[in-house]
Amino acid sequence: ETGVTQTPRHLVMGMTNKKSLKCEQHLGHNAMYWYKQSAKKPLELMFVYNFKEQTENNSVPSRFSPECPNSSHLFLHLHTLQPEDSALYLCASSQVAGYSNQPQHFGDGTRLSIL
Amino acid sequence: ILNVEQSPQSLHVQEGDSTNFTCSFPSSNFYALHWYRWETAKSPEALFVMTLNGDEKKKGRISATLNTKEGYSYLYIKGSQPEDSATYLCAFQGAGGTSYGKLTFGQGTILTVHP
Repeated sequence: ETGVTQTPRHLVMGMTNKKSLKCEQHLGHNAMYWYKQSAKKPLELMFVYNFKEQTENNSVPSRFSPECPNSSHLFLHLHTLQPEDSALYLCASSQVAGYSNQPQHFGDGTRLSIL
Repeated sequence: ILNVEQSPQSLHVQEGDSTNFTCSFPSSNFYALHWYRWETAKSPEALFVMTLNGDEKKKGRISATLNTKEGYSYLYIKGSQPEDSATYLCAFQGAGGTSYGKLTFGQGTILTVHP
């Protein structure tokens, strides 16, 4: 059983749709992350939130909009996506972001397909 | 751009074989090196977080070593079992500058253990 839950597991959407990915962690962590994994590429960090404050935006296009209402929940709002945005989106959490030697805990991911 | 390389990309071994693979990372601005195990359709699971040069960590039949001066880490699996089949990811955690606290992942080594 994972302490990080992502919904939905699969999402198919058109380029003009608006949808949101949700992530929830039950580990009492203060940092949450969004990662993207495209086919045949390494996991790529998108956003970092530490104590609800965004501390990292890894040059992500504005059609991806993160939201972190509290330390347990993280959303990724999607709008006017492109076919190249089709990928696996993983959420992770850790005790704190930055200089910590604690591991990150991952969810199962949302498989996103853009038509 | 940080370069984290894993080799080999994939590996097929027989049950009972011992195996190892490599993660290469920058030898400067090092803070920590993470190893994760990622089974198909599951979430990545943390194996080790290593911070000290010369460190060796062990978890059951899996162990890892770290050389921060030359920028590499080895992951060893003794007596491989079919349930060890997974993708093994390493991630470099930097200490300063634009790599502050962020994890940069390698592409992974896909291990298949045949019965």
